[in-house]
Amino acid sequence: AQSVTQLDSHVSVSEGTPVLLRCNYSSSYSPSLFWYVQHPNKGLQLLLKYTSAATLVKGINGFEAEFKKSETSFHLTKPSAHMSDAAEYFCVVRSYSSASKIIFGSGTRLSIRP
Amino acid sequence: DGGITQSPKYLFRKEGQNVTLSCEQNLNHDAMYWYRQDPGQGLRLIYYSQIVNDFQKGDIAEGYSVSREKKESFPLTVTSAQKNPTAFYLCATGTGGGGYTFGSGTRLTVV
Repeated sequence: AQSVTQLDSHVSVSEGTPVLLRCNYSSSYSPSLFWYVQHPNKGLQLLLKYTSAATLVKGINGFEAEFKKSETSFHLTKPSAHMSDAAEYFCVVRSYSSASKIIFGSGTRLSIRP
Repeated sequence: DGGITQSPKYLFRKEGQNVTLSCEQNLNHDAMYWYRQDPGQGLRLIYYSQIVNDFQKGDIAEGYSVSREKKESFPLTVTSAQKNPTAFYLCATGTGGGGYTFGSGTRLTVV
């Protein structure tokens, strides 16, 4: 069975400093992995996805994530945080028991200090 | 302008009352999904539908019902059997190629 674990429920960084949001996955197969962002009282927006091509995936708004099979990780990073990055972030894996289903992590709330 | 429309944005339900949340899409996507979001618990799948006139239970289907009479629409009914319905409900569509498109959500509150 597939699963994802987001290691931090809350991350706080200063504006202009790097962001690291951690995600570990469990999958018997080569996984499809995603990061989504949710601003307060809004739907979710796809940031980036990994589907077995390049291990370093670039997304929108300057975010990127690196797939590391040896560490079963898919951490999300950004070199310099902006106030508008404050939101909830979800790491997601596609289920292979039902190809149309995706499984969400519990989310990481990112706060940005001025 | 393609996308997903959820309505209403806010909904209040009295005890013992059924309510229906609307989800409409013009993306021509086959698959549609309903998720429930509670604080600190991420998103949990209620129901999903891969084609018209067919739908499957997700992880927390009890107390909910859906229909898929046409490709564009996937309404969710929260019945009186759902004992704790207060939550944020999100509808999504998928193409199967990876990545979903989400609506802006409906916040349901029991009064």
